[in-house]
Amino acid sequence: AQSVTQLGSHVSVSEGALVLLRCNYSSSVPPYLFWYVQYPNQGLQLLLKYTSAATLVKGINGFEAEFKKSETSFHLTKPSAHMSDAAEYFCAVSRRITGGGNKLTFGTGTQLKVEL
Amino acid sequence: EAGVAQSPRYKIIEKRQSVAFWCNPISGHATLYWYQQILGQGPKLLIQFQNNGVVDDSQLPKDRFSAERLKGVDSTLKIQPAKLEDSAVYLCASSPYTSGASYEQYFGPGTRLTVT
Repeated sequence: AQSVTQLGSHVSVSEGALVLLRCNYSSSVPPYLFWYVQYPNQGLQLLLKYTSAATLVKGINGFEAEFKKSETSFHLTKPSAHMSDAAEYFCAVSRRITGGGNKLTFGTGTQLKVEL
Repeated sequence: EAGVAQSPRYKIIEKRQSVAFWCNPISGHATLYWYQQILGQGPKLLIQFQNNGVVDDSQLPKDRFSAERLKGVDSTLKIQPAKLEDSAVYLCASSPYTSGASYEQYFGPGTRLTVT
């Protein structure tokens, strides 16, 4: 079975500081990994995904994540936080479903707070 | 391109009542997903459709939940009778791809259900 663990349910940073959101995965096969962001009262929006093409993945809004197989990690970073980054962030692992599509298994989420 | 549409956005019902949620995926998307997101948790897949057929409903509480996707387009999720623990946000997602684990799912804004 595949799973992800997000360390820290709440992270607080100052505006302009580095953002680091942690995600560790468990998978018996090479994983496909995703980061989604959820703003209040909205659905989830894809930030970036890892599909084995490159270990450093760049996403929208200045976010990036690095896949480290030896550490089974896929941490999300952004060099300089902006107030608009305040949201909940979900890491997810995907597997193909027999019959079509894929199944996402999400972590419990990390609420990012950005302070002035 | 219009996104995934869901209605209603909010619903308050009493326990033992019934409720239905509607989802209209992005035009042309073959795969449709319903997720349940309880406060403080990541989304959990309830059911997945490929066109109008079910490919995964292993986590759907079938004694009270039902879903259909007639004509392979929009979908309805029903709860009858509702319990207090069904209070959650119900997210609908769709994907244009019929196979593969690396593909993005596009999420709607969700329906927030409160059962009193």
